[in-house]
Amino acid sequence: DTEVTQTPKHLVMGMTNKKSLKCEQHMGHRAMYWYKQKAKKPPELMFVYSYEKLSINESVPSRFSPECPNSSLLNLHLHALQPEDSALYLCASSHVQNEQFFGPGTRLTVL
Amino acid sequence: QKEVEQNSGPLSVPEGAIASLNCTYSDRVSQSFFWYRQYSGKSPELIMSIYSNGDKEDGRFTAQLNKASQYVSLLIRDSQPSDSATYLCALHGSSNTGKLIFGQGTTLQVKP
Repeated sequence: DTEVTQTPKHLVMGMTNKKSLKCEQHMGHRAMYWYKQKAKKPPELMFVYSYEKLSINESVPSRFSPECPNSSLLNLHLHALQPEDSALYLCASSHVQNEQFFGPGTRLTVL
Repeated sequence: QKEVEQNSGPLSVPEGAIASLNCTYSDRVSQSFFWYRQYSGKSPELIMSIYSNGDKEDGRFTAQLNKASQYVSLLIRDSQPSDSATYLCALHGSSNTGKLIFGQGTTLQVKP
């Protein structure tokens, strides 16, 4: 299995909702990442997990809460988001400090 | 100065031509360089990685790295309309965290 999967593909939520994005990989990678991408911009790093421990938080607002239950899974919990948080959320994985492979992304719309 | 600079384009080439995409970077310590292709509405796809000076070829793609000039490029031979996409240059920063630093991307249009 050489891919990163993400669910859901699309998500529409209100500002008071709580939702979660999920990411899974079975490539034996021990680093996993969350990125946010706005239209016509490059991906912007949010969080890095290395060996299931949070190693980088790029000063992301607390309404985004990451979780790494095991080496294959990565979640991003969302609560009280703002309309400006609407974006494509990308998960990626890699061997530590190596090539990163992206999942298909979740297109999030916050109303 | 931005850490990774790319011309945003669009770069327009006729079908069958060579497309040349360029990227410069500011951190001399950077060791790992990557090219991603991103179709509109899709996620980035890794197409090339290069770690040492010189050329690396994979099919119609050639990546070129010149660390002395802090320059990395991607050549696409026999360009096809299906190559029309945004190409993102990325590198690992000097912090050894695995963090990727992206350029703004170059939009390539291949005209039939």
